[in-house]
Amino acid sequence: RKEVEQDPGPFNVPEGATVAFNCTYSNSASQSFFWYRQDCRKEPKLLMSVYSSGNEDGRFTAQLNRASQYISLLIRDSKLSDSATYLCVVNRGSDGQNFVFGPGTRLSVLP
Amino acid sequence: DAGVTQSPTHLIKTRGQQVTLRCSPKSGHDTVSWYQQALGQGPQFIFQYYEEEERQRGNFPDRFSGHQFPNYSSELNVNALLLGDSALYLCASSLELARRNSPLHFGNGTRLTVT
Repeated sequence: RKEVEQDPGPFNVPEGATVAFNCTYSNSASQSFFWYRQDCRKEPKLLMSVYSSGNEDGRFTAQLNRASQYISLLIRDSKLSDSATYLCVVNRGSDGQNFVFGPGTRLSVLP
Repeated sequence: DAGVTQSPTHLIKTRGQQVTLRCSPKSGHDTVSWYQQALGQGPQFIFQYYEEEERQRGNFPDRFSGHQFPNYSSELNVNALLLGDSALYLCASSLELARRNSPLHFGNGTRLTVT
């Protein structure tokens, strides 16, 4: 079993749809969590950090459930420009940085 | 504010050769991490440098080595290249002081093809 797992995808949704991505992690000592977005053949870019209380940034909402070791990303009112691969990232370093990436979930928003 | 820069952007090598990839971190960052990303997969951690020392290492053979310079820039060296080393190599920088809450900032990557 991989340390960070994500929905296998791909997700094909129409413009305006709401889509949710799920991520689970196995290391209970993991300390911080992030969602990254990666466009085809480009570098990953930080989308948002994920906080215990949940957080929202415009159309994007991230949730963390430490008890279930589960992270989610919700995208509302999908745009064509949201088409990308979404990477769940977990920092399991208790004192420092030790980032583990999930395999990513590809999203295609269709006109 | 300069972001993370990597060079070269593309590279073609043959099996058995050696390669050196370079990275300059984002201004103000002091920690550099290297990742290998094969097509269709998430980035895999190679190693991390801080204060010119390798602080952490992923599950990569000794053919993969690195260095960090006093100006925080870094090199990744791969010896005895194999076909399976073909991938996108990503450099990411972060700020050690912020520790676990400091996200990674990536460069554009170096696409290595081994023939």
